[in-house]
Amino acid sequence: QLTQSPSSLSASVGDRVTITCRSSQGISSFLAWYQQKPGKAPKLLIYAASTLQSGVPSRFSGSESVTDFTLTISSLQPEDSATYYCQQLHIYPYTFGQGTRLEIK
Amino acid sequence: QVQLVESGGGVVKPGRSLRLSCVASGFTLTSYAVHWVRQAPGQGLEWVTFISHDGGNNYYADSVKGRFTISRDNSRNTVFLQMNSLRLEDTAVYYCAREDGDDYGDWFDLWGQGTLVTVSS
Repeated sequence: QLTQSPSSLSASVGDRVTITCRSSQGISSFLAWYQQKPGKAPKLLIYAASTLQSGVPSRFSGSESVTDFTLTISSLQPEDSATYYCQQLHIYPYTFGQGTRLEIK
Repeated sequence: QVQLVESGGGVVKPGRSLRLSCVASGFTLTSYAVHWVRQAPGQGLEWVTFISHDGGNNYYADSVKGRFTISRDNSRNTVFLQMNSLRLEDTAVYYCAREDGDDYGDWFDLWGQGTLVTVSS
């Protein structure tokens, strides 16, 4: 089970934003982060906990500490307004976190 | 163009069936496992099912086990989701997604645009 927090947040352009995903059991580094905009399919941002998907801006980064995983946006941009999901791909079912809705002030 | 395209969604009454298709273009689907993920209106993402690259292995979420069946026809670069005994709570946008991976992890790197399934009496 994945517990994602916060469920929503509001931040300003240029802010540093952190979203956390905690697993109830060890999942090694089998965690991915996705961005979803309204009416669109999810888009892969980070895989293997910390590897940036090709074409994704470098302001996005991922890190892990045992069962805690973090997505960081170093300098928030207007186009980052979206919902973000973590997903564990270690054991079936491949569960998603509850999502974090990010709003730009 | 590398893409996945879902089709087959629509409005159906409870208890009825529907079959979704996911067609790959621009690449050979044979090399990849494929998943279905759904999203109920206003809700988060829910993983539904998986099929291995050769069709020899699959898993299902408890919420659909015994009612949904995933299959694939690699000669047609297509994955199917047969949905039987549909319930109101199956109403969602259904996405197919391609799985890629290496020794350090797996990930869904390509998603379709989704197809809407509405179960309503």
